[in-house]
Amino acid sequence: DAGVIQSPRHEVTEMGQEVTLRCKPISGHNSLFWYRQTMMRGLELLIYFNNNVPIDDSGMPEDRFSAKMPNASFSTLKIQPSEPRDSAVYFCASSLWNWTSGTQYFGPGTRLLVL
Amino acid sequence: DAKTTQPPSMDCAEGRAANLPCNHSTISGNEYVYWYRQIHSQGPQYIIHGLKNNETNEMASLIITEDRKSSTLILPHATLRDTAVYYCIVRRGGKLIFGQGTELSVKP
Repeated sequence: DAGVIQSPRHEVTEMGQEVTLRCKPISGHNSLFWYRQTMMRGLELLIYFNNNVPIDDSGMPEDRFSAKMPNASFSTLKIQPSEPRDSAVYFCASSLWNWTSGTQYFGPGTRLLVL
Repeated sequence: DAKTTQPPSMDCAEGRAANLPCNHSTISGNEYVYWYRQIHSQGPQYIIHGLKNNETNEMASLIITEDRKSSTLILPHATLRDTAVYYCIVRRGGKLIFGQGTELSVKP
């Protein structure tokens, strides 16, 4: 199993630039999650999809953030324009979700630094 | 979502059992208890989960009290590589809400 794949692993950009983070979930999984981790706020759920449909985006901080899942094997998280406070580690996770099991498997994360 | 309470840090001697407690007194009947850990800055790693019964796998054991208001994760023979932040999470529906976790330090 390749596991959840995220790219890029590291991103350094300047304030105001657009940033796109990518995620490939585990094959066969039907749910995908985007998290953000900072020292101050810990690990926060931003948005999650079920069968490619956004189910809950209440964690998305503001309109500068958007996420898409055009098909079952790919998702993007976009920040436009980026700000220094967006600096964090962004994790993608996927699961084969049902009412009795929702084990999420996490990718290695993208470390974003906005200067 | 039910809230969980964990001690912020714990120490354990290498080779001994590590017992990590978690309080989830507001848990509902259909909510599962999940445990994850995060080593350094890696992605969180699934350990184990349960609803009512005690569970065991190759990594750990999960003991859930009869009233389901608390649980304990047991690492039977802790090694230095088990040093990590351990998260206890109550899941309802599709979401896992992570708290601050317990930072476990395994010492030689």
